[in-house]
Amino acid sequence: SQQGEEDPQALSIQEGENATMNCSYKTSINNLQWYRQNSGRGLVHLILIRSNEREKHSGRLRVTLDTSKKSSSLLITASRAADTASYFCATAPPQGAQKLVFGQGTRLTINP
Amino acid sequence: DVKVTQSSRYLVKRTGEKVFLECVQDMDHENMFWYRQDPGLGLRLIYFSYDVKMKEKGDIPEGYSVSREKKERFSLILESASTNQTSMYLCASTSPTGASPLHFGNGTRLTVT
Repeated sequence: SQQGEEDPQALSIQEGENATMNCSYKTSINNLQWYRQNSGRGLVHLILIRSNEREKHSGRLRVTLDTSKKSSSLLITASRAADTASYFCATAPPQGAQKLVFGQGTRLTINP
Repeated sequence: DVKVTQSSRYLVKRTGEKVFLECVQDMDHENMFWYRQDPGLGLRLIYFSYDVKMKEKGDIPEGYSVSREKKERFSLILESASTNQTSMYLCASTSPTGASPLHFGNGTRLTVT
């Protein structure tokens, strides 16, 4: 059952610009997580935001969560070529918070 | 740092073969997961295990089984491989604390011919 839906599916920007990716989901959550995947590799955890939190920062990453709209956004500021990757949101249900449900991902390309 | 190791990066098998995908983690995590990743479909959960010898079906368990004989090792078994099981398989582990991130291996790209 697909829960998270990322938007856009693909994003191409110039180095130094900010990149914003969005995630919408359908049911209640315990938390929402963002992951990055470099081509042909496993996923790497970036940031976790709990359902009672509205915003969280980690370095150049900023995540917001709006539970009333069932949506989240990931902002990467001052993008670098090394940020080129696919980004996935994943939602954890209130019961069985370990069973994450992933969206289809946003393919981000940073052009030098 | 947590390390999750999948035994093969690339695997080519024939239709009907029995296939074993192995995953080992070094952080004493109770929970382990197998996902498959396909273009346009994202990651889908096949099976997960929350303790030795315990397993639970995910969203797409058909055609797969799993084995968890030791805490650090979680194996995915394709009883009789089929071409529609050609995919990227990702193993992950995490501690049982409610809000804990998953730690992924680098994946096994399986091709069934």
